[in-house]
Amino acid sequence: GDSVTQMEGPVTLSEEAFLTINCTYTATGYPSLFWYVQYPGEGLQLLLKATKADDKGSNKGFEATYRKETTSFHLEKGSVQVSDSAVYFCALRGNTDKLIFGTGTRLQVFP
Amino acid sequence: GAGVSQTPSNKVTEKGKYVELRCDPISGHTALYWYRQSLGQGPEFLIYFQGTGAADDSGLPNDRFFAVRPEGSVSTLKIQRTERGDSAVYLCASSQTRGVGGGRGNEQFFGPGTRLTVL
Repeated sequence: GDSVTQMEGPVTLSEEAFLTINCTYTATGYPSLFWYVQYPGEGLQLLLKATKADDKGSNKGFEATYRKETTSFHLEKGSVQVSDSAVYFCALRGNTDKLIFGTGTRLQVFP
Repeated sequence: GAGVSQTPSNKVTEKGKYVELRCDPISGHTALYWYRQSLGQGPEFLIYFQGTGAADDSGLPNDRFFAVRPEGSVSTLKIQRTERGDSAVYLCASSQTRGVGGGRGNEQFFGPGTRLTVL
């Protein structure tokens, strides 16, 4: 069945460092891909998405490119801030309405 | 406008008891989803409603779990004879429309969750 694998955390960075969180997927057909973020004490929020190969999703300085050849959707940000500290979830939606999530990666950014 | 709300925010119960978890979706959203998030894991799909009917209940782990949405708005997730392994955060999400893909109308908006602890 469809699945998502993302790198384990925590990822610990200093402010203004470059961030990459890896995400790969297994799916039949052409899924849509998502990154969700969960800030401390808050609910899941959609961060960005891409619906077809080579699409780039972007929001709040974060970017991810849908790479069908490598079945990947890695999350990147050029300069992280303390306020980016959160748990990040990669997810896909395939031929059904449900989202399939990875296990989440905790990001900790220190000043 | 108001987002998805869930009540209670926390529920502590004893093994073997019955619990109900409530979800109020965003007004006008026809699709409603339940997910369960265990500690250190990502959310896992439980059930999906389109209107009043359960369109996909393939994620319900066993027959102790049941959900309803009688008027196509509020939904209740019901768990009978709770077990310690049911302890998790139960998340509800709603979307304006159903449908596969990533179209704007079917973006899922999540509530804050109900943390269930079974002692």
